[in-house]
Amino acid sequence: SAVISQKPSRDICQRGTSLTIQCQVDSQVTMMFWYRQQPGQSLTLIATANQGSEATYESGFVIDKFPISRPNLTFSTLTVSNMSPEDSSIYLCSVGGAPGANVLTFGAGSRLTVL
Amino acid sequence: KQEVTQIPAALSVPEGENLVLNCSFTDSAIYNLQWFRQDPGKGLTSLLLIQSSQREQTSGRLNASLDKSSGRSTLYIAASQPGDSATYLCAVEGSGYALNFGKGTSLLVTP
Repeated sequence: SAVISQKPSRDICQRGTSLTIQCQVDSQVTMMFWYRQQPGQSLTLIATANQGSEATYESGFVIDKFPISRPNLTFSTLTVSNMSPEDSSIYLCSVGGAPGANVLTFGAGSRLTVL
Repeated sequence: KQEVTQIPAALSVPEGENLVLNCSFTDSAIYNLQWFRQDPGKGLTSLLLIQSSQREQTSGRLNASLDKSSGRSTLYIAASQPGDSATYLCAVEGSGYALNFGKGTSLLVTP
């Protein structure tokens, strides 16, 4: 299965700043996803990162707050903009193949703390 | 909207016990159900994937069952070991590729 590297693994940020999380995969993948796991909560899908087009966002998530790039089939970034303490979460990158067919692989996650 | 519930939220057992983790979901129109293990700082590891047409999957000491019509799955862990201590997450895949996760069961296996 694909190996995913996420950077940074953790960071402490000031309110009002923005942070970009990188997700690098060791092979070309069709589907890339970004999830958020707030403290004590389950994982929630933020968006599907589409190569060559805009990301597809889930209800409750918007591009202005979570801009996503996917310049090629092995790399994606998620930016958390104008951060507030409520954005303190673990953000995870995930990759997979065809819907319903493949096991999703997850990165180790990026733990953000916003002060 | 799909809701996934996991019971219990936390579980502590002595080494060697067999145990069952439960997962329920509200919408039976799923492609598959997956069980993951989450270790701090190590992301998620997929343990078992059950397609909607299947009833169970086995891997080593792990056995997962799926009853789609009743919206339930169980993860059975045989002869538990301290290394099994982790958070176990259940996730279902419906239309639109998204995985809907439960909040997880935090398992502690004591020597």
